[in-house]
Amino acid sequence: SQQGEEDPQALSIQEGENATMNCSYKTSINNLQWYRQNSGRGLVHLILIRSNEREKHSGRLRVTLDTSKKSSSLLITASRAADTASYFCATDPAWDGTASKLTFGTGTRLQVTL
Amino acid sequence: AAGVIQSPRHLIKEKRETATLKCYPIPRHDTVYWYQQGPGQDPQFLISFYEKMQSDKGSIPDRFSAQQFSDYHSELNMSSLELGDSALYFCASSSRGGGQETQYFGPGTRLLVL
Repeated sequence: SQQGEEDPQALSIQEGENATMNCSYKTSINNLQWYRQNSGRGLVHLILIRSNEREKHSGRLRVTLDTSKKSSSLLITASRAADTASYFCATDPAWDGTASKLTFGTGTRLQVTL
Repeated sequence: AAGVIQSPRHLIKEKRETATLKCYPIPRHDTVYWYQQGPGQDPQFLISFYEKMQSDKGSIPDRFSAQQFSDYHSELNMSSLELGDSALYFCASSSRGGGQETQYFGPGTRLLVL
């Protein structure tokens, strides 16, 4: 079953603007990860935020996590044409010391135009 | 840095044929995951292995099987292929035993069933 819903499904902005994508999930998590995927290509890991963290930064990326609302947001500042891609959130359930699995959201398709 | 290697990158099969997809995790990673991504869909978890033992199972059809070998590489075997099996198949690896939760994805194998 699908864990996450992402909002918006598609986003079109101009270069230099900020892009915000939201993700909601349903069950308890150990961490939440954001991935980028260029059309038909592999998934590139962007950032991981643990359930006991509220905000994390990595370069032009800022991720927030609100476990009480079961939601997360990804902010890309000063966007570039090269940021054009689909962005997925993925939740990792509580880890008991063995392998786990990621449940992906539906993804946001970001288009950055010049 | 070494990444996850998947082979083949592209595969065309006919209905009812079999296919074997291979995955070579990042060196010293102990956990391998398999995901299936249909056209326009988000990735769906199939199965995972931790230290060569099956760890978790998702929506993997009975026609599919997988294993992780002594050198930690993994193979996904798909039999009696159906048109609906056409998808991008990703392998990911992580170092769960090392406390690393981030899953690093390979470039994927694009399977087309005719």
